[in-house]
Amino acid sequence: DADVTQTPRNRITKTGKRIMLECSQTKGHDRMYWYRQDPGLGLRLIYYSFDVKDINKGEISDGYSVSRQAQAKFSLSLESAIPNQTALYFCATSDFPRREASTGELFFGEGSRLTVL
Amino acid sequence: KQEVTQIPAALSVPEGENLVLNCSFTDSAIYNLQWFRQDPGKGLTSLLLIQSSQREQTSGRLNASLDKSSGRSTLYIAASQPGDSATYLCAAGDMTTDSWGKFQFGAGTQVVVTP
Repeated sequence: DADVTQTPRNRITKTGKRIMLECSQTKGHDRMYWYRQDPGLGLRLIYYSFDVKDINKGEISDGYSVSRQAQAKFSLSLESAIPNQTALYFCATSDFPRREASTGELFFGEGSRLTVL
Repeated sequence: KQEVTQIPAALSVPEGENLVLNCSFTDSAIYNLQWFRQDPGKGLTSLLLIQSSQREQTSGRLNASLDKSSGRSTLYIAASQPGDSATYLCAAGDMTTDSWGKFQFGAGTQVVVTP
């Protein structure tokens, strides 16, 4: 089983619909991240969380919200989807740098492809 | 703000040639530097991770170096194969006050290895 699991893997929806992308991890990491990838733009950070009570906006948080239900679960919501939110979304985790032995390595899920019509 | 740049954006080489991929970053206050491979429409696969105290890491045909003073990391892939065709991304783990714990990505280098 994958260490970082994203659901759904693919989703097609219509403008104005509410969408939730879910992420769960078995790495035991405190830090979780949501990224968006668009062709030619690389990965851009949407939200990140350093623990259940610590959630922070990234560089492109407008139109998105998140929920950290538990250490292992971090969900991304689009309250009212619009076509320019069509993208590949990635969840990632890291132990950066929680303790001296931490490598801070970043682990990614397989991605969720979202199409908004 | 940390900025990570990868040049060139695309690279095509014949099979057997060595690949040299570059990653530059503007702020040397990094915790680590990680290289990833991404196949079209797929997730990111971690290739190598270099801690800030290290100069290089090696795995098989892959070698990555880190020079914090010059703000550069280089990924070398020896004796390239068509299966190495993919996009390669680097990411810097930020330790600056404003961005602590975040990772800044380059836009990637798209590599094509021709048979």
